Amino acid sequence: EVQLLESGGGLVQPGGSLRLSCAASGFTFTTYAMSWVRQAPGKGLEWVSFISVTGGTTFYADSVKGRFTISRDNSKNTLYLQMNSLRDEDTAIYYCAKDVGIIEVVATDYWGQGTLVTVSS
Amino acid sequence: QTVVTQEPSLTVSPGGTVTLTCASSTGAVTSGHSPNWFQQKPGQAPRALIYSTSKKHPWTPARFSGSLLGDKAALTLSGVQPEDEADYYCLLYYGGARVFGGGTRLTVL
Repeated sequence: EVQLLESGGGLVQPGGSLRLSCAASGFTFTTYAMSWVRQAPGKGLEWVSFISVTGGTTFYADSVKGRFTISRDNSKNTLYLQMNSLRDEDTAIYYCAKDVGIIEVVATDYWGQGTLVTVSS
Repeated sequence: QTVVTQEPSLTVSPGGTVTLTCASSTGAVTSGHSPNWFQQKPGQAPRALIYSTSKKHPWTPARFSGSLLGDKAALTLSGVQPEDEADYYCLLYYGGARVFGGGTRLTVL
């Protein structure tokens, strides 16, 4: 059974940093690209970032470019999101999502339950 | 900045058919945008329904179908069930970056 378990969320002051983790199990993590998606309270979904299987290719939403860094440790089956220079508008539930793993197909299938990040003074 | 637009809300009767659409500010939506559709119920994580315009995940009910309709991507629900009441989001691919639509709240009444 595919499981994605996010952690690392919490309350942080504006300008602060936080690192989110997503522990993967139930599939061969090393062969799937991964993404982060967030959802502000009462709002819609916002795609945040993507990382390829090896970590050699990454993409970011303009709203987080230069502040957030996606990475992965394939030896630990874990995805990360390093968030720096946090702003009030970064307050959201952060979800990790697994790619379907079909060549040249852009799609996610499994999602975690999310971790809440609150940026407030 | 690219904007993906969906109907904010739609209402459908049980057993009816409804079509949700997804438009891109850059022009016509094509298969190259790899349209994806997701369902989200209150307090739950999103659930993937459709990818690559019309392909279904193993768990996607048969009453859900995806297509291109004119210059938009579309999600059609046929024979709507009460449990289909939810928020629905489309996702489009722009050569690296991906953009979600604002979501459609579907009410089954």
